[in-house]
Amino acid sequence: GENVEQHPSTLSVQEGDSAVIKCTYSDSASNYFPWYKQELGKRPQLIIDIRSNVGEKKDQRIAVTLNKTAKHFSLHITETQPEDSAVYFCAASRAAGNKLTFGGGTRVLVKP
Amino acid sequence: GAVVSQHPSWVICKSGTSVKIECRSLDFQATTMFWYRQFPKQSLMLMATSNEGSKATYEQGVEKDKFLINHASLTLSTLTVTSAHPEDSSFYICSARGRGASYEQYFGPGTRLTVT
Repeated sequence: GENVEQHPSTLSVQEGDSAVIKCTYSDSASNYFPWYKQELGKRPQLIIDIRSNVGEKKDQRIAVTLNKTAKHFSLHITETQPEDSAVYFCAASRAAGNKLTFGGGTRVLVKP
Repeated sequence: GAVVSQHPSWVICKSGTSVKIECRSLDFQATTMFWYRQFPKQSLMLMATSNEGSKATYEQGVEKDKFLINHASLTLSTLTVTSAHPEDSSFYICSARGRGASYEQYFGPGTRLTVT
C-alpha cells in the first residue's frame, strides 16, 4: 500500500520568514495530493491540493509543488504569520475520493 | 456547503461498554465515508471505508468485530466501538465525499473518546 513520509516533524520559523514542508510517497499510481492544517482538537482543514497533471499550484501565501518522477511534493508558506502555527499534514490518494494516506505531520510554530 | 457533523463531540465511557459515534453529511449525499483514528500528537490513521448500502472495508490491523461501521443512508454513517478498553481512547474523525469526480473529502469535527 501507499506510504507517505513527511519532514520535518517540527518547524520553528520567525514571523515573516518562509516555511517549507516536504513529503515523499511510494505509490506511483497516486494522483491526488492534498495538504491539511489542523489546530489542536479540531478537524483537518484542506488548505491546498494538487493533482498529478500539474507541477505547481499557488494560493496567496501558500504554494505546493509536485515532482512525479521523484515522487515528492512540498508545501511552501511565505510571509508566515502567528496564525499559521498549527500541525500540517500531507496526504496522497490514487483516485477521485479514494482513501487518503497521511504523512506523519509537521508541527509549525511561527514566533512573533 | 459540504458540511459534515459528528455526534457526540466527546464521550466518556466505562471499560467494557459500547459507544456509538454518528457522522452526518448535512448538505450533500455522501456516497463514501471514511473513519480515522488519531492518537495524541500523531497522524490520522484510516480505519475503514464505508460505501452506502454495502459492507465497510477495514484497513489491515483494524478489528471489524470491535469497530462496527454502518453506512445506512447517504447522509449517515455510524461507528460503534464495542467492549471498549482504555487503549481505544482516541480522537475519531470521519470524512465524507459525494457523488461525481470530486477528489475532496470533507471532515467532521471529530469525537474525543475516553474509556475509563
